[in-house]
Amino acid sequence: NAGVIQTPRHKVTGKGQEATLWCEPISGHSAVFWYRQTIVQGLEFLTYFRNQAPIDDSGMPKERFSAQMPNQSHSTLKIQSTQPQDSAVYLCASSLPWGSSYEQYFGPGTRLTVL
Amino acid sequence: QQQVRQSPQSLTVWEGGTTVLTCSYEDSTFNYFPWYQQFPGEGPALLISILSVSDKKEDGRFTTFFNKREKKLSLHIIDSQPGDSATYFCAAESSNTNKVVFGTGTRLQVLP
Repeated sequence: NAGVIQTPRHKVTGKGQEATLWCEPISGHSAVFWYRQTIVQGLEFLTYFRNQAPIDDSGMPKERFSAQMPNQSHSTLKIQSTQPQDSAVYLCASSLPWGSSYEQYFGPGTRLTVL
Repeated sequence: QQQVRQSPQSLTVWEGGTTVLTCSYEDSTFNYFPWYQQFPGEGPALLISILSVSDKKEDGRFTTFFNKREKKLSLHIIDSQPGDSATYFCAAESSNTNKVVFGTGTRLQVLP
């Protein structure tokens, strides 16, 4: 089992460019979560999908950020017109629900740097 | 609003000593409390977790305690090792939303 795969591991964009981050969840896991991690804000929830359906996007900035899960094997997080404040490590996690709770398994993250 | 408070922010212990990390929360719908360990350059990894129906869970050198009345939890690491040096996050999941809220993390350094 390769674990959660995130690509690319590092991405550098210029201000105003678009960035697309990819996540491949663990095979058989039904939920995918996206988080953003910075020194100042810590680990922030962005959005999550269950069985490919968007369930909660309350943490997503309303403009410029969007997430999709077109099939059970991958999810994408797209940031349009990137800004320096978007620089962070973006983490994806997947889980196989047990009972009413989830154990989340994280990928290594994508470090986004916006110049 | 910080829903899960974690302390201390950083901690240094000697090899062989006991490490104690604490967290508190306010939301009474939280019912699942995982602890994550994160090394530089890696994503958080689930270390140990506890449900609100329990007050203690042990896994090797790691034990988590839960006090529902006081809304507090703690992580104890006995015989701390230099390899335990990492950032530790407590977290809480609500039975209503299935969304996990993370504490601010504790950076642990274990000196040989």
